[in-house]
Amino acid sequence: DTGVSQDPRHKITKRGQNVTFRCDPISEHNRLYWYRQTLGQGPEFLTYFQNEAQLEKSRLLSDRFSAERPKGSFSTLEIQRTEQGDSAMYLCASSLTGVMYEQYFGPGTRLTVT
Amino acid sequence: AQSVTQLGSHVSVSEGALVLLRCNYSSSVPPYLFWYVQYPNQGLQLLLKYTTGATLVKGINGFEAEFKKSETSFHLTKPSAHMSDAAEYFCAVSDRGNQGGKLIFGQGTELSVKP
Repeated sequence: DTGVSQDPRHKITKRGQNVTFRCDPISEHNRLYWYRQTLGQGPEFLTYFQNEAQLEKSRLLSDRFSAERPKGSFSTLEIQRTEQGDSAMYLCASSLTGVMYEQYFGPGTRLTVT
Repeated sequence: AQSVTQLGSHVSVSEGALVLLRCNYSSSVPPYLFWYVQYPNQGLQLLLKYTTGATLVKGINGFEAEFKKSETSFHLTKPSAHMSDAAEYFCAVSDRGNQGGKLIFGQGTELSVKP
């Protein structure tokens, strides 16, 4: 069990550019979550998948954000036309279905938009 | 909409002293309740959770929390703080009807432990 991995760990981009992050969940986990964490705040839910189906997306999430999990394994989160307000830590978590199963978090991708 | 309030963004205790981190939720139906810890430059790790049954829940590293429905609270305690407990702690809730779906987090409490 290698845990949840995220790539890249750090990304610096200029405003207006597109960025894509990858998350590899724990292999047998069918649920995958994306959260965003800004400095001094708790993680904020963005979206989650069960297998390849996107089951919920935050109403706060701009249309510039899109996430996919095409084969029910890894997931990508893309941000188009980045803005300085997108600077944050993007966290991925995975779990099995059911509250008794813990969400395991990856180390995060830190995005800085200049 | 559910929300979580953690009282005190920063708590400082001496090594060996009691740790008390406060968490209140707002929901008409008691949600599932969680405490997570985050060390610098690392992801979150689950300390403990309450889903059903006994309201006093024991977790890892000597932490425990008690669900009090009448007070809509889920405070985290540890009898004796250790230097290694210094970290950011997050209380979180999950809707009971969602089979363990999204987590709603509080804003976090940074715990400092003085020697």
